[in-house]
Amino acid sequence: DGGITQSPKYLFRKEGQNVTLSCEQNLNHDAMYWYRQDPGQGLRLIYYSQIVNDFQKGDIAEGYSVSREKKESFPLTVTSAQKNPTAFYLCASSLRDRYTEAFFGQGTRLTVV
Amino acid sequence: RKEVEQDPGPFNVPEGATVAFNCTYSNSASQSFFWYRQDCRKEPKLLMSVYSSGNEDGRFTAQLNRASQYISLLIRDSKLSDSATYLCVVNGGWGAGTKLIIKP
Repeated sequence: DGGITQSPKYLFRKEGQNVTLSCEQNLNHDAMYWYRQDPGQGLRLIYYSQIVNDFQKGDIAEGYSVSREKKESFPLTVTSAQKNPTAFYLCASSLRDRYTEAFFGQGTRLTVV
Repeated sequence: RKEVEQDPGPFNVPEGATVAFNCTYSNSASQSFFWYRQDCRKEPKLLMSVYSSGNEDGRFTAQLNRASQYISLLIRDSKLSDSATYLCVVNGGWGAGTKLIIKP
């Protein structure tokens, strides 16, 4: 089945540690995205990539980093510089760009203690 | 002013009723419009695209009003399972969502 896989579903980390969230898609989509969602809030764009080896900052990129070495994979690293990392992280992909329908992974719920 | 705005709700609606909510946007040149549904603690899923002429999918009708810069979603004969948060997306920008609660 085609889709987007995020792992892990739940993640706990100690404050000050970097953590990497995985996102893989087998939909052959060009574009991939990372969003953050806080309780009762909408989605905020962290980073997006429209092509391999290229990515752009979204609205809240500070404290995060990404890579796009393969079309299928778009991992997100939450660094110790991110002041409030506890949140629900959603990865998505779309065929071409932000103007086309987005498909989401199941999300990773990160808790930093 | 935010690029995409929605009334956060919640809208409390009895089962079987018709409910509608809007999503306003600021960029008059916007070209792509979608409605997504998000259940509690789950990922958003596409409900329907919104076309210039309006479109319908079963009990759901989406419309675009370019002059007033908003899209709308109408749900007829609402079911308990329609309870969710409804998110609009305009040119890749996301609204914060409208929470809908259908009561028996």
